[in-house]
Amino acid sequence: NAGVTQTPKFQVLKTGQSMTLQCAQDMNHEYMSWYRQDPGMGLRLIHYSVGAGITDQGEVPNGYNVSRSTTEDFPLRLLSAAPSQTSVYFCASRSDGQATPYFGPGTRLTVT
Amino acid sequence: GDSVTQMEGPVTLSEEAFLTINCTYTATGYPSLFWYVQYPGEGLQLLLKATKADDKGSNKGFEATYRKETTSFHLEKGSVQVSDSAVYFCALRTQGGSEKLVFGKGTKLTVNP
Repeated sequence: NAGVTQTPKFQVLKTGQSMTLQCAQDMNHEYMSWYRQDPGMGLRLIHYSVGAGITDQGEVPNGYNVSRSTTEDFPLRLLSAAPSQTSVYFCASRSDGQATPYFGPGTRLTVT
Repeated sequence: GDSVTQMEGPVTLSEEAFLTINCTYTATGYPSLFWYVQYPGEGLQLLLKATKADDKGSNKGFEATYRKETTSFHLEKGSVQVSDSAVYFCALRTQGGSEKLVFGKGTKLTVNP
């Protein structure tokens, strides 16, 4: 199993540009989620999904969009990037019986 | 709302010293509690967990006990190594199946030889 994979590892965007952060898992996990990590703030939940076709907002959803068309993939879309979205983004997944998710390696995004 | 408070860092220790990183939480009911570790340039890895009161999680020489009476989940290790240098996060997941993990702000540990 590759676990949770994320691409790209690094990305630089200009303000107003859009892009998609990719997340995939090969463990057939029902639950997937996106977090952002900012210095001194821990991780905060952006969006999550409890299964294909079902998504919901987390703590900081504004400026982000998600969809879950397959069990394996959970892309995060930035509609119009802003400097406040400069952060490290982590995708995570877990099965229904697990208390805690597995995290991907992260994507470091800089918006100038 | 639910919250996690962990001791501010950074923490600098010499090799073989005793480590304690304090973590307290606020939550209703009986949350599940976790410690994650983030090594430089890497993602988060689950270090240990406890899902009910008085449970002790342990892994790689680290331990933490779920104390409901003091709402705490302090991380300890008897003898740290240089390879333990990392950022440590305390986190909780509320009872009832919420998908949201609530994280503390993280504590950076540096262990010197």
